[in-house]
Amino acid sequence: DTGVSQNPRHKITKRGQNVTFRCDPISEHNRLYWYRQTLGQGPEFLTYFQNEAQLEKSRLLSDRFSAERPKGSFSTLEIQRTEQGDSAMYLCASSFSGGDTYEQYFGPGTRLTVT
Amino acid sequence: AQTVTQSQPEMSVQEAETVTLSCTYDTSESDYYLFWYKQPPSRQMILVIRQEAYKQQNATENRFSVNFQKAAKSFSLKISDSQLGDAAMYFCAYRTYYSGGSNYKLTFGKGTLLTVNP
Repeated sequence: DTGVSQNPRHKITKRGQNVTFRCDPISEHNRLYWYRQTLGQGPEFLTYFQNEAQLEKSRLLSDRFSAERPKGSFSTLEIQRTEQGDSAMYLCASSFSGGDTYEQYFGPGTRLTVT
Repeated sequence: AQTVTQSQPEMSVQEAETVTLSCTYDTSESDYYLFWYKQPPSRQMILVIRQEAYKQQNATENRFSVNFQKAAKSFSLKISDSQLGDAAMYFCAYRTYYSGGSNYKLTFGKGTLLTVNP
């Protein structure tokens, strides 16, 4: 078990470009979360998957954002027509629905800089 | 909606000393979980300690312990015998106990940056 991985770790893009991030959860984890963390703030919930189904999206997730989790394994988060306000750390976390606490394990994050 | 407040943006402690980080929260729920997460510089967030609201006993994990005051909606973290490796951003987080939609998202505070001085 290598933990939750995210790629790329850093992404610099120009305003208006599209970007895609990938998250690979711990293999047996069926729940997957995306959070966004801006400077000086704690992570904020973006969206949640149980297996391949996207069950909840935050109002923070504008129409320019889309997330997928094909086959209930890895997940991708795409941002279209990036804006400077999208600059943030994007965190992925996974958990297993068994057990009593559903502890979330976090990846190292993808830091996005929009110039 | 639940909110989590960490009123100390930064704290410092001398190595081997004890430090307490504060957290308050607001909720109308009676059952929930509270967590402290540690985020070292450029490294991933890891769980330090958790507390179930229905348990009166304060959680303890080695040098880390909490003071959970349910009526006051307060959840502080005490780090004893501080070590250089404890230097990190610490986040307090809230999670509902039961979600009909099965979304157990975390609600975080803004964090407290802990510096450990040698």
